[in-house]
Amino acid sequence: QQQVRQSPQSLTVWEGETAILNCSYEDSTFNYFPWYQQFPGEGPALLISIRSVSDKKEDGRFTIFFNKREKKLSLHITDSQPGDSATYFCAASSGGLSGKLTFGEGTQVTVIS
Amino acid sequence: EAAVTQSPRNKVAVTGGKVTLSCNQTNNHNNMYWYRQDTGHGLRLIHYSYGAGSTEKGDIPDGYKASRPSQENFSLILELATPSQTSVYFCASGRTGSFSAETLYFGSGTRLTVL
Repeated sequence: QQQVRQSPQSLTVWEGETAILNCSYEDSTFNYFPWYQQFPGEGPALLISIRSVSDKKEDGRFTIFFNKREKKLSLHITDSQPGDSATYFCAASSGGLSGKLTFGEGTQVTVIS
Repeated sequence: EAAVTQSPRNKVAVTGGKVTLSCNQTNNHNNMYWYRQDTGHGLRLIHYSYGAGSTEKGDIPDGYKASRPSQENFSLILELATPSQTSVYFCASGRTGSFSAETLYFGSGTRLTVL
């Protein structure tokens, strides 16, 4: 079963709007949550991340909101630009030497101008 | 700049054939990973490695073997390829500390089609 779930599967927003991507998880040992951005034909690349001791992380137009009690987080993309059109993956890790990440299904974002 | 290079970029194989996907990293990272990406499933971990000589099973290891002959190289081997293994495969490297995961750097992927 999918331990990290994302919604919606796809999302279309107008340029300048805020896109909101949702993520939830089941494993209480997860303590690190990176978001990866993937463009067609490329591998995923780290966009922004948050640790479970924080409830918010901001980097420019990208903000993660984290609710540990509900095991939910969201990625907000403010002032969306056509160049933000990509697939976004929520991931989670319990830390440790393996560093392995569990990924969600991904949300495909399209920004139209 | 972190660099992970995968080869080949595209591969067509026949059912029952042997397939080897290769990955090279110049980051001097200890850990390397093989994921497959399928629509509706995101990325799923097949095998990973802590360093040369080490291979560990990930979440979906059945039908796959891995080999880590050196710090730089990590291969994924399909001894008897099946059509269900048609997918896009990504290799990644990462340097992790004792208490937390750090950034994974991904290659550009290998698109495998098994006929």
